[in-house]
Amino acid sequence: RKEVEQDPGPFNVPEGATVAFNCTYSNSASQSFFWYRQDCRKEPKLLMSVYSSGNEDGRFTAQLNRASQYISLLIRDSKLSDSATYLCVVNTNAGKSTFGDGTTLTVKP
Amino acid sequence: DAGVIQSPRHEVTEMGQEVTLRCKPISGHDYLFWYRQTMMRGLELLIYFNNNVPIDDSGMPEDRFSAKMPNASFSTLKIQPSEPRDSAVYFCASSSQGLGSYNEQFFGPGTRLTVL
Repeated sequence: RKEVEQDPGPFNVPEGATVAFNCTYSNSASQSFFWYRQDCRKEPKLLMSVYSSGNEDGRFTAQLNRASQYISLLIRDSKLSDSATYLCVVNTNAGKSTFGDGTTLTVKP
Repeated sequence: DAGVIQSPRHEVTEMGQEVTLRCKPISGHDYLFWYRQTMMRGLELLIYFNNNVPIDDSGMPEDRFSAKMPNASFSTLKIQPSEPRDSAVYFCASSSQGLGSYNEQFFGPGTRLTVL
């Protein structure tokens, strides 16, 4: 079983749709959590950190459930420019990061 | 800041040749990571350093791979001898530990390696 698991998709949605991605992790000692975005043939870039209380950044909402070892990302009112691969990332307190394989999103007109 | 710098951006070589990938982290960052990304295996952590010291190299595929960080501003990943299955995009990333572990990793643009 992988340490970080994501639904690979692809998710194909129309503009304006709401889409949710899920991620589970196996290491209960994990300390911090992130969502990264990777565009085709580019490097991953931080989208947002994920806090236990949940956090929102514009159209993006991230949630963490430590008891279930589950992370989610919700994108509302999706735009064409949201098309990318979304990577779930889990850190230990030793600074090591484990990336999920990513979920591919395509937003269509 | 110029961000994480990697060179070369593209490398095409023949099987059996030595390949050296280079990385300059962001100044002041004390963690440096080397990743490999392929379609089949996704983004894999190969090795990471803290204050120039290798902390975890369990992701290094085999003895053909080696990494060094002689100082805080430079790291290399070497493959000798290279094989076609080493073809991938190799990313270097750096981060600053700071307080707690809510640490963003900044990635370089990657080196696209093709071994013929």
